Amino acid sequence: NAGVTQTPKFRVLKTGQSMTLLCAQDMNHEYMYWYRQDPGMGLRLIHYSVGEGTTAKGEVPDGYNVSRLKKQNFLLGLESAAPSQTSVYFCASNRVRAYEQYFGPGTRLTVT
Amino acid sequence: AQSVSQHNHHVILSEAASLELGCNYSYGGTVNLFWYVQYPGQHLQLLLKYFSGDPLVKGIKGFEAEFIKSKFSFNLRKPSVQWSDTAEYFCAVNDGRDDKIIFGKGTRLHILP
Repeated sequence: NAGVTQTPKFRVLKTGQSMTLLCAQDMNHEYMYWYRQDPGMGLRLIHYSVGEGTTAKGEVPDGYNVSRLKKQNFLLGLESAAPSQTSVYFCASNRVRAYEQYFGPGTRLTVT
Repeated sequence: AQSVSQHNHHVILSEAASLELGCNYSYGGTVNLFWYVQYPGQHLQLLLKYFSGDPLVKGIKGFEAEFIKSKFSFNLRKPSVQWSDTAEYFCAVNDGRDDKIIFGKGTRLHILP
């Protein structure tokens, strides 16, 4: 089992560019989450999904969109990147209402 | 909204010292509590969890945590730390009202050899 994987591992964007981060899990988990990690701020929840076709906002959803078209994939989109979105992005998944999360390796995004 | 406070942002200890990292949460109802660890350059891994039952929970690598409902606390402890415990530690809470998991800001632990 690969667990939770994230693509890409690194990316540099210019302000205003768009991109999509892909999270994939092979554990048949219903719940998937996107977080951003910034120094001194811990992990902050961006969006999450409790099943295929569902999404919900987290603590810091502005500037991001998500889609969960397939159970195993959770996409995070930045329509118009801003320097404030420079961060490390982590995806996580867990079983229904179990909340013991399995994390991916992260994507380091720099917006210049 | 649920919030999680970790009081110590940066802790430096010598090997064999005892460790206690504080975590407080804001919601007074039923909670699910977690401690995660992030070793340098790695992703987060679960150390231990509390859902119900015995308020003293044991996790991996000799860590334990105590849930004290009256104090809204879930402090992490280890009797004798090792250099390999150098990492960042995160407390996290799910309060059962929705499916969000809220993390604290983390505590960086540095163990001197």
